[in-house]
Amino acid sequence: DQQVKQNSPSLSVQEGRISILNCDYTNSMFDYFLWYKKYPAEGPTFLISISSIKDKNEDGRFTVFLNKSAKHLSLHIVPSQPGDSAVYFCVSSNTGKLIFGQGTTLQVKP
Amino acid sequence: DGGITQSPKYLFRKEGQNVTLSCEQNLNHDAMYWYRQDPGQGLRLIYYSQIVNDFQKGDIAEGYSVSREKKESFPLTVTSAQKNPTAFYLCASSIQPIGYTFGSGTRLTVV
Repeated sequence: DQQVKQNSPSLSVQEGRISILNCDYTNSMFDYFLWYKKYPAEGPTFLISISSIKDKNEDGRFTVFLNKSAKHLSLHIVPSQPGDSAVYFCVSSNTGKLIFGQGTTLQVKP
Repeated sequence: DGGITQSPKYLFRKEGQNVTLSCEQNLNHDAMYWYRQDPGQGLRLIYYSQIVNDFQKGDIAEGYSVSREKKESFPLTVTSAQKNPTAFYLCASSIQPIGYTFGSGTRLTVV
């Protein structure tokens, strides 16, 4: 039972354009949502988070939107840069336990 | 510099062998976790420990064992009972829900 779903396994965008990564979840009890970025053969690194009581959080080029009624969140990266090419995991937190989506591989082309 | 160290980076195991993956942290975090990553899948929780001398099974604990004798260390043993051990293993620690720090991972291959 996949509680956090990233339905797009890959995404390719041109440098300078916006990247939008999507995520759906099933459990309305999740208290935090996070995005982690992962390069091959490395551990994930924290990117940005949002509390379930908010609908938007912005940090530089990264913005996360949360739509609780639709149980959907998205990560916007603008402008996209080649160094953003990585796997992005949508993660939910339930009383401290992390639940990972399958990941979306983002490729930003120069 | 504080962080999490996983060793070795690459590990090869013969069929029927037990192997132990090391995870050490100097962040003074109480909680530590082991995840497994397979191609096309997210990270799945194997075991976690919220305090010394205590640990809990995660979603895919079968064929694995852990110990937590020290706050800094949370080794994972992949036993011969694990039917498909080839994967990328990640250790993490945290002090609060969004304060997770991950190690750089160990890639285990069965030969």
